[in-house]
Amino acid sequence: GAGVSQSPSNKVTEKGKDVELRCDPISGHTALYWYRQSLGQGLEFLIYFQGNSAPDKSGLPSDRFSAERTGGSVSTLTIQRTQQEDSAVYLCASSLGGQGASYGYTFGSGTRLTVV
Amino acid sequence: SQKIEQNSEALNIQEGKTATLTCNYTNYSPAYLQWYRQDPGRGPVFLLLIRENEKEKRKERLKVTFDTTLKQSLFHITASQPADSATYLCALIKAAGNKLTFGGGTRVLVKP
Repeated sequence: GAGVSQSPSNKVTEKGKDVELRCDPISGHTALYWYRQSLGQGLEFLIYFQGNSAPDKSGLPSDRFSAERTGGSVSTLTIQRTQQEDSAVYLCASSLGGQGASYGYTFGSGTRLTVV
Repeated sequence: SQKIEQNSEALNIQEGKTATLTCNYTNYSPAYLQWYRQDPGRGPVFLLLIRENEKEKRKERLKVTFDTTLKQSLFHITASQPADSATYLCALIKAAGNKLTFGGGTRVLVKP
């Protein structure tokens, strides 16, 4: 597609429920990233995909967080048993390269998750 | 620990003047440094990339410098316009690194 698409744009969920966030990267971009941005804060790295594999999951906050990528394209970030501290904007980005590459990232507009 | 610091105070500037933002880093040896613009409710947008062996990069009214001795990058917006009002983020990646690490961003407000 023309850009990185994320859905839903907004999600309100009750504490303890599971949520799935979707990212559709730019076609041909092999690298895909998930970041989290809390109100007024910088971007916190969550996970990096190269193709369908995730060589770097070091930013996932707990085992309630998981992500997958299929067909070298769409990625889903799943948060189980959501907690109020999970409330944030979840941003997905894709780029042409991965490790050691020098390309800018293209970000989606994010999913604003609110846990009540 | 590794740190990337940007001035958290908003920068208020008069239209037509040059805005200068600072990005300082510690305990880091970046191969590349990037600058992004973020508008409210939107994802960051890539502006410029500068490599460790480059001193300066320009793109239209934007100029970035990179001093690996001082561990600092400066980002300049010349002839600033109200449309330049946004938050600007710097981000670094290590050689053979696989992800960008972002600073907290500096908000710029250009007044007409």
